[in-house]
Amino acid sequence: AQTVTQSQPEMSVQEAETVTLSCTYDTSESDYYLFWYKQPPSRQMILVIRQEAYKQQNATENRFSVNFQKAAKSFSLKISDSQLGDAAMYFCASPRGGADGLTFGKGTHLIIQP
Amino acid sequence: GAGVSQSPSNKVTEKGKDVELRCDPISGHTALYWYRQSLGQGLEFLIYFQGNSAPDKSGLPSDRFSAERTGGSVSTLTIQRTQQEDSAVYLCASSPRGQPQHFGDGTRLSIL
Repeated sequence: AQTVTQSQPEMSVQEAETVTLSCTYDTSESDYYLFWYKQPPSRQMILVIRQEAYKQQNATENRFSVNFQKAAKSFSLKISDSQLGDAAMYFCASPRGGADGLTFGKGTHLIIQP
Repeated sequence: GAGVSQSPSNKVTEKGKDVELRCDPISGHTALYWYRQSLGQGLEFLIYFQGNSAPDKSGLPSDRFSAERTGGSVSTLTIQRTQQEDSAVYLCASSPRGQPQHFGDGTRLSIL
């Protein structure tokens, strides 16, 4: 079974600081996408960023960037200049292994201290 | 444009009753997914529809769970003889094939 591990149940960061959320995954796929989703209290899952595994360049979306280490199967999310609106649960997701759909980690609860 | 719409937003029912959860995907999205999110957990895959192909039901936890998708659009997830462990948020997502999934706001199901 494919697994996604987020080892930090909760992280806290001061507003305007930088925080990194870790994620490791296990997949037998050779070409795949990885995703970070944000889930605020409203429950909706919002796509933050995605990484194509065959691309060596790390994906960047404004204040969000990833550190993708394919050999280590590591996919961390860096949030720069943290804002109060970034407070949410963050989920890492990888392919479900030979099938469509995603496998999600258990999430990291990000707290932004004003 | 309109996003993925799920109804009801919240559902409270008694143990043993049947429930139906509805998902209206984004127009034109051929792929539709159902996930379950138990309290404090990540999302657990339940079922996947792609166009007119047979659905991938490999994530359904028991034969009390079923889903259908009519006309390649709206989907209904049915849970028969509900149990307390079925209490969770049920999330639906849709996408064009091979593209990132867009999620609805989910249905919070509470079994008394």
